[in-house]
Amino acid sequence: AQSVTQLGSHVSVSEGALVLLRCNYSSSVPPYLFWYVQYPNQGLQLLLKYTSAATLVKGINDFEAEFKKSETSFHLTKPSAHMSDAAEYFCAVSRSGAGSYQLTFGKGTKLSVIP
Amino acid sequence: DAGVTQSPTHLIKTRGQQVTLRCSPKSGHDTVSWYQQALGQGPQFIFQYYEEEERQRGNFPDRFSGHQFPNYSSELNVNALLLGDSALYLCASSLGGGTYYEQYFGPGTRLTVT
Repeated sequence: AQSVTQLGSHVSVSEGALVLLRCNYSSSVPPYLFWYVQYPNQGLQLLLKYTSAATLVKGINDFEAEFKKSETSFHLTKPSAHMSDAAEYFCAVSRSGAGSYQLTFGKGTKLSVIP
Repeated sequence: DAGVTQSPTHLIKTRGQQVTLRCSPKSGHDTVSWYQQALGQGPQFIFQYYEEEERQRGNFPDRFSGHQFPNYSSELNVNALLLGDSALYLCASSLGGGTYYEQYFGPGTRLTVT
């Protein structure tokens, strides 16, 4: 079984500051890992995913995440926060390989950006 | 290109009633997954449909059932509604069902059970 823990239900940063959203996962097999963003009244949009290739993954809007197997972590970072980054962010995990159809999500971290 | 669409946007039902939610996948996609997102929680996987068959199911009771049509659109049915079924129901489509393939999410249907 897979599970995800997102540390901090709410994170506030100043505009232009570093964004760091934490995600730790648990998986008995090699995982795929994902970060999604959800704006109010909208569905989820994929920011980036790790699927066993490079451990440093670059996504849209200058977000990136690093897969660290030894720490079972997949933290999301962005060098400089924009007001438009204010949203809820979800980390998700699945089994890798064929026959894996289910994403398991964390509870989410709401990001506020202070002008 | 229209993305994933869901209907209705909002719905209010009474305990014990039945509800049907609808999803049209992104053009070219053949796989539909349904998720339930309770307030303040992350989405939870209900099931996935491919080639008109339920391919995988999450930890949801049999009151939750679905259907996929030949045009790949899908319905989620919930019987004997409980207050705890109040949530945002998200549909996601993909080309190919494995999680390696990006799942595109619709805006959701917000169900309120009173």
